[in-house]
Amino acid sequence: DVKVTQSSRYLVKRTGEKVFLECVQDMDHENMFWYRQDPGLGLRLIYFSYDVKMKEKGDIPEGYSVSREKKERFSLILESASTNQTSMYLCASSSSSTTGELFFGEGSRLTVL
Amino acid sequence: GDSVTQMEGPVTLSEEAFLTINCTYTATGYPSLFWYVQYPGEGLQLLLKATKADDKGSNKGFEATYRKETTSFHLEKGSVQVSDSAVYFCALGFSGGYNKLIFGAGTRLAVHP
Repeated sequence: DVKVTQSSRYLVKRTGEKVFLECVQDMDHENMFWYRQDPGLGLRLIYFSYDVKMKEKGDIPEGYSVSREKKERFSLILESASTNQTSMYLCASSSSSTTGELFFGEGSRLTVL
Repeated sequence: GDSVTQMEGPVTLSEEAFLTINCTYTATGYPSLFWYVQYPGEGLQLLLKATKADDKGSNKGFEATYRKETTSFHLEKGSVQVSDSAVYFCALGFSGGYNKLIFGAGTRLAVHP
């Protein structure tokens, strides 16, 4: 079974702190994604990566950056956390050989005080 | 731009009732369509998909038919169970697009005994 593991289920940070959210997948998938999930808004794509060191902005990249130094690991970085970044963050991965089947982690719930 | 619209929830049903969750889409081109499910405390998982017009996706008693003429992909189940209580997301994507999906807002389903 594909496993996507997010490093922290719950985080509480203060405004202005730098935050790292880590995601690891074990199925050698080319594509990895960071989504943000908010009630009534569904999932919105922050960034995605289709190869090591390759990244593209999604729909809401402002205030975020990403890093993909190894194929299995995709990190989301909040350079200076703000209260409006309080949310659930979902990491996903997929193979380029299939259409639309994303495998998701359990999510990281971030609260910024 | 491309988008997905789902009926607002929550949807509350008694066990063994018939379920319909409406989903319509707007897209340029010919997308593939998906339903994902998120059980409490878990990440999203693919429930079913359809890749072209008139295709029917099915899984675990759930069905959805890709209707190009009405740009719809409504989710149905003939007899729901308490264990079907979850949030359901409709999504669209395009082949060759790195599996970047556009999700609807999600519909919460609560099934009572």
